[in-house]
Amino acid sequence: GQQLNQSPQSMFIQEGEDVSMNCTSSSIFNTWLWYKQEPGEGPVLLIALYKAGELTSNGRLTAQFGITRKDSFLNISASIPSDVGIYFCAGLLAGSGTYKYIFGTGTRLKVLA
Amino acid sequence: EAQVTQNPRYLITVTGKKLTVTCSQNMNHEYMSWYRQDPGLGLRQIYYSMNVEVTDKGDVPEGYKVSRKEKRNFPLILESPSPNQTSLYFCASSLSFTPEQFFGPGTRLTVL
Repeated sequence: GQQLNQSPQSMFIQEGEDVSMNCTSSSIFNTWLWYKQEPGEGPVLLIALYKAGELTSNGRLTAQFGITRKDSFLNISASIPSDVGIYFCAGLLAGSGTYKYIFGTGTRLKVLA
Repeated sequence: EAQVTQNPRYLITVTGKKLTVTCSQNMNHEYMSWYRQDPGLGLRQIYYSMNVEVTDKGDVPEGYKVSRKEKRNFPLILESPSPNQTSLYFCASSLSFTPEQFFGPGTRLTVL
C-alpha cells in the first residue's frame, strides 16, 4: 500500500526548543493534513492545508503545503511538555469517486523539561 | 457529547473465529472510515464509506469486510482472523468532503 515518507522517526528535545518535521510523497495530493496522537487516544487534526504553497498557523504550530504538492512540513515553536505525542502527516486523494487518506509513518516527539 | 464510539476496546481471539468491531457516530457524518495502526507503519486505511450503502477499499482491505446500512454505524468484520491482523484499529468519521476526521478511541485486537 501507499505510505508517506515522514521524518524524523523520533525526536528528543528540550523544553523551549523549536521542532521541525516533514513528509514527502511520490504522489500529488489535493490536501495535506497534520494530526497529533496522544497515548491511548485516536489522532486529532491540528492543521489542514488546501493549496500548493499555503502556509498556515495554529498557535505555536506552522505547516506548509509544498509547491509541488508532494510534500509538507510542520514546525512547532517553543515546545512544551504537553507537545509530547506522535505527529502524523496525511495526504488526501480525492476525485473520480475516490476519497482516500494516506498517512505517514509518524514522528514520535518527546520533550524533556 | 459528539463522539465516535468503538466496541470492544480490547479483544483477544483465535485464528479463524469470526469477529465484528462496531463503530458508531452521533454527529450525522456522511463519511466513515476504518484504519489499522502498526508500529513503524503509521495508520493505514482499510475501508471507507462516503454514505449509506456506499463503501470502497482503502489501502489494505484484504481480510476485512464492512457494511454501511445506517448512517451512524460502520462495523468492521473479520470473517477469518489471522495473526497478521493483530493491530490497533481506529474508526473515524467526518462530514462529506471535509478533512476533519473525528477518531474513535481505538480497539486493540490480538489474534492468537
